[in-house]
Amino acid sequence: DGGITQSPKYLFRKEGQNVTLSCEQNLNHDAMYWYRQDPGQGLRLIYYSQIVNDFQKGDIAEGYSVSREKKESFPLTVTSAQKNPTAFYLCASSATGHLNTEAFFGQGTRLTVV
Amino acid sequence: GENVEQHPSTLSVQEGDSAVIKCTYSDSASNYFPWYKQELGKRPQLIIDIRSNVGEKKDQRIAVTLNKTAKHFSLHITETQPEDSAVYFCAASSSASKIIFGSGTRLSIRP
Repeated sequence: DGGITQSPKYLFRKEGQNVTLSCEQNLNHDAMYWYRQDPGQGLRLIYYSQIVNDFQKGDIAEGYSVSREKKESFPLTVTSAQKNPTAFYLCASSATGHLNTEAFFGQGTRLTVV
Repeated sequence: GENVEQHPSTLSVQEGDSAVIKCTYSDSASNYFPWYKQELGKRPQLIIDIRSNVGEKKDQRIAVTLNKTAKHFSLHITETQPEDSAVYFCAASSSASKIIFGSGTRLSIRP
């Protein structure tokens, strides 16, 4: 079954702790993205990667870190420096090249700081 | 930096009427404009897209128009049905670059 998978679906974190959200795809897509979704604010780009071993900051990268060691995987770490980490996080992937194409989303991870 | 503005933020229409959602983008290099639908508790899914070499595209009850000069693009849904109720996002991207989304429109269809 091809697709993009995020885990876990729900995640609770204590203040001051780092936490890593998983994103895996078997679509052979080069590009992967992390978005944060808050009520009424749409999808805001945290980080994106167009190719293995390379990634770029999005609009709200502060307090987050990523790695892209494998084409299939793009984990997101929410660090203690992120002041308001409670949100819904969506990972996406797309094929790239000369023309951009459809982005496929994972089912999301809802992170709650307790 | 690149920006996509989307209006309105909420929209309520009578079942059977049309709904229109509008977006503007700032990056003149943008050449791909997808629209996503997100139902409650689900992931966003592509419903239609348009490239910069096309002015209009239709798929059954859904159509998208693009005005490159004005940097505007719009989603049109005709003969709305209850299952059209969802949050809709527009987006813009340029070749091999990041995808920037609008802030979303919550569409409600009144029976």
